[in-house]
Amino acid sequence: KAGVTQTPRYLIKTRGQQVTLSCSPISGHRSVSWYQQTPGQGLQFLFEYFSETQRNKGNFPGRFSGRQFSNSRSEMNVSTLELGDSALYLCASSQITGVGTYEQYFGPGTRLTVT
Amino acid sequence: GEDVEQSLFLSVREGDSSVINCTYTDSSSTYLYWYKQEPGAGLQLLTYIFSNMDMKQDQRLTVLLNKKDKHLSLRIADTQTGDSAIYFCAEVDGSSNTGKLIFGQGTTLQVKP
Repeated sequence: KAGVTQTPRYLIKTRGQQVTLSCSPISGHRSVSWYQQTPGQGLQFLFEYFSETQRNKGNFPGRFSGRQFSNSRSEMNVSTLELGDSALYLCASSQITGVGTYEQYFGPGTRLTVT
Repeated sequence: GEDVEQSLFLSVREGDSSVINCTYTDSSSTYLYWYKQEPGAGLQLLTYIFSNMDMKQDQRLTVLLNKKDKHLSLRIADTQTGDSAIYFCAEVDGSSNTGKLIFGQGTTLQVKP
């Protein structure tokens, strides 16, 4: 079974620009979550999607948005980029059971650098 | 709010056992996870334990869960240089009823030959 794929792997943008990151979950997984990883803040939850619906959102400004398509692929968008948005953005794919999620698998991440 | 704490650094000799500790605050978490991150890579799921279990063993990995003290540990037997990485403990946010994970700050494991 193919793992979680994220594109692009590396991205360099300028302050004020916007960026779109893509995530394809493991086949059959309908839940996709996004996390931001920085040296200072560690791993922070951005949002989670299940069956095209946002189920949960982390404490990030409205510049961060996402969506999920009918094939479970997900995109996240960051508008009006700031230097502080430089980070590794990780996508996680999982199945959901009646007692909660389990076996959350992460992709390799997209390294975003804002200059 | 929910919080997960880990020690930042652990150094062991090759062949020794490594024990990485984690404490968490959310008693309603259903699952607790251990992830490994190598330089420049994403997170690799090592193992997870359901909250009604005390122990789980998977080859060289042993996870111990003490629910009373909200303490989780990962033991790596016969540690190899390839085990050098950052290890993250994570709990499912029990209050959100979703898959949101709350991570510790990570423990850097250094394995000396």
